Amino acid sequence: QKEVEQNSGPLSVPEGAIASLNCTYSDRGSQSFFWYRQYSGKSPELIMSIYSNGDKEDGRFTAQLNKASQYVSLLIRDSQPSDSATYLCAVDSSYKLIFGSGTRLLVRP
Amino acid sequence: DAGVTQSPTHLIKTRGQQVTLRCSPISGHKSVSWYQQVLGQGPQFIFQYYEKEERGRGNFPDRFSARQFPNYSSELNVNALLLGDSALYLCASSLTTSAFFGQGTRLTVV
Repeated sequence: QKEVEQNSGPLSVPEGAIASLNCTYSDRGSQSFFWYRQYSGKSPELIMSIYSNGDKEDGRFTAQLNKASQYVSLLIRDSQPSDSATYLCAVDSSYKLIFGSGTRLLVRP
Repeated sequence: DAGVTQSPTHLIKTRGQQVTLRCSPISGHKSVSWYQQVLGQGPQFIFQYYEKEERGRGNFPDRFSARQFPNYSSELNVNALLLGDSALYLCASSLTTSAFFGQGTRLTVV
């Protein structure tokens, strides 16, 4: 059973801090990795994709990938209360995405 | 450009009934996937269709079926509804590897 593991949280950080979200996966053959943000009662929104080892930055978001350790992370700089949501890690496995259960992030004003 | 659109947004059905959910992908996207998300969990893969052909199926019973039309829109059908089928049903369209979700259909089975 191919799996994606995330800490459910909640991860609580003060406004302006860096939030660090982590994810591990079991399928060594996976080549594509994604982070989705999901607000309560809404559908997942794609915020980052990463395909090769290293860092990828987009605005306040940085995705990090380490295929040897089967580890993906998402850093959110200058966290804002509007970043409070559940963050889902997803890993491409052939024709489908395998999701973790998500980490709930709370940004305190 | 319009994103992925799903209908209806909310639905209440009785146990044993049948339901059809609809999805229109982003213009130009030929691949449509269906996911089920229950509260507190990540989305679970149900089906993927590409160019009207089923490309993959998740671990769901035969009560679940789907199809894709020539215009790439898709329908998900669930027969003999159970209470446990209550969930958010998500449609995603993709051009390459990135998948973009619609707003979902919230199905409640009573």
